Amino acid sequence: EVQLVESGGGLVQPGRSLKLSCAASGFTFSNYYMAWVRQAPKKGLEWVATISTSGSRTYYPDSVKGRFTISRDNAKSSLYLQMNSLKSEDTATYYCARHRSWELGYWGQGVMVTVSS
Amino acid sequence: DTVLTQSPALAVSLGQRVTISCRASKSVSTYMHWYQQKSGQQPKLLIYSASNLESGVPSRFSGSGSGTDFTLTIDPVEADDIANYYCQQSNELPLTFGSGTKLEIK
Repeated sequence: EVQLVESGGGLVQPGRSLKLSCAASGFTFSNYYMAWVRQAPKKGLEWVATISTSGSRTYYPDSVKGRFTISRDNAKSSLYLQMNSLKSEDTATYYCARHRSWELGYWGQGVMVTVSS
Repeated sequence: DTVLTQSPALAVSLGQRVTISCRASKSVSTYMHWYQQKSGQQPKLLIYSASNLESGVPSRFSGSGSGTDFTLTIDPVEADDIANYYCQQSNELPLTFGSGTKLEIK
């Protein structure tokens, strides 16, 4: 069974940093592109980042480019999201997701990040 | 960026047919996908590449369209289908989602 379990969320002050983790199991992690998608409270879904199977290629929307970094450790079947210079508008539930192609076939339960002073 | 437009909400009677629409601001070919998100849960992929049913998804769900206009059809609607439905395009980066359609029961 595919499982994606996020961790590392919490309350953080504006301008500070936070690193999210996603532990994957039930599939060969190194074979799949992986992504982070977020959802602000009572809002829709926003794609945040995608990483290739080897980690050599990463993709971001302009809203987080230069502040967020996606990475992976295939030996540990783990995905990460380093978030720097956090803003109040980054407050959201962050989902780890497995790409099917460029759609997202499996999603984790999500982890909440609150950016507030 | 490709903007996806969805109606905010739809009300339907149980056992009836419902179509949820998604319009793209530019052609996305058939690179359109649909997700279901129930209250308090993560999204779930229903349809990929406009019309392909994801494994394990009931055949009550179907998708159609190409270019800029797409539809997700549920027939017949069951009580378990109460959820928000999102479209997503992958024709170009950034990947974008529609704002979601909330399906309600009359």
